[in-house]
Amino acid sequence: QKEVEQNSGPLSVPEGAIASLNCTYSDRGSQSFFWYRQYSGKSPELIMFIYSNGDKEDGRFTAQLNKASQYVSLLIRDSQPSDSATYLCAAGGGSQGNLIFGKGTKLSVKP
Amino acid sequence: GAGVSQSPRYKVAKRGQDVALRCDPISGHVSLFWYQQALGQGPEFLTYFQNEAQLDKSGLPSDRFFAERPEGSVSTLKIQRTQQEDSAVYLCASRQGAIYNEQFFGPGTRLTVL
Repeated sequence: QKEVEQNSGPLSVPEGAIASLNCTYSDRGSQSFFWYRQYSGKSPELIMFIYSNGDKEDGRFTAQLNKASQYVSLLIRDSQPSDSATYLCAAGGGSQGNLIFGKGTKLSVKP
Repeated sequence: GAGVSQSPRYKVAKRGQDVALRCDPISGHVSLFWYQQALGQGPEFLTYFQNEAQLDKSGLPSDRFFAERPEGSVSTLKIQRTQQEDSAVYLCASRQGAIYNEQFFGPGTRLTVL
């Protein structure tokens, strides 16, 4: 069974702090990894994707991938209350790249 | 259109009724996926189309679920004889090109079976 594991939280951080979100995946064959943000009652919105080991930065967001440890993380710098949402980690699996999602981590940024 | 659209946004069905959910992907996107998201869970894969061909239906939970994409654009997910456990948000996503590319999600259809 291919799985993606995330801490469900909630993770609470003060405004301006760094939020660190983590996930692990079971399928060593996964080649692509995605972080989606989902506001309550809304659909997932892509934040970052990463394919190669190491870090990838985009504005306040940094994705990190360690294939040896089967570990993916997302750092959010200068967290804002508008970042409060559920963050879904997904691994691209299967021969067509269908996504395997974790259950999501709920992030709360306190003003 | 600019993004993936789905209709209806909300559907209430009595147990045993048939429902049809529509997805209109981003223009030119060859790949189309259906996912089911239960409350408090991440989306779970149901089925995948490449153009009009349904290449993977391994995630469909029972033979009551059927999906089609006859002209390689709009897709319909049909659920026959709905059950309470079918209550969920059904998400459609489309992708352009290579299998490692990102998927873009529609707003979803929230199905409630009474």
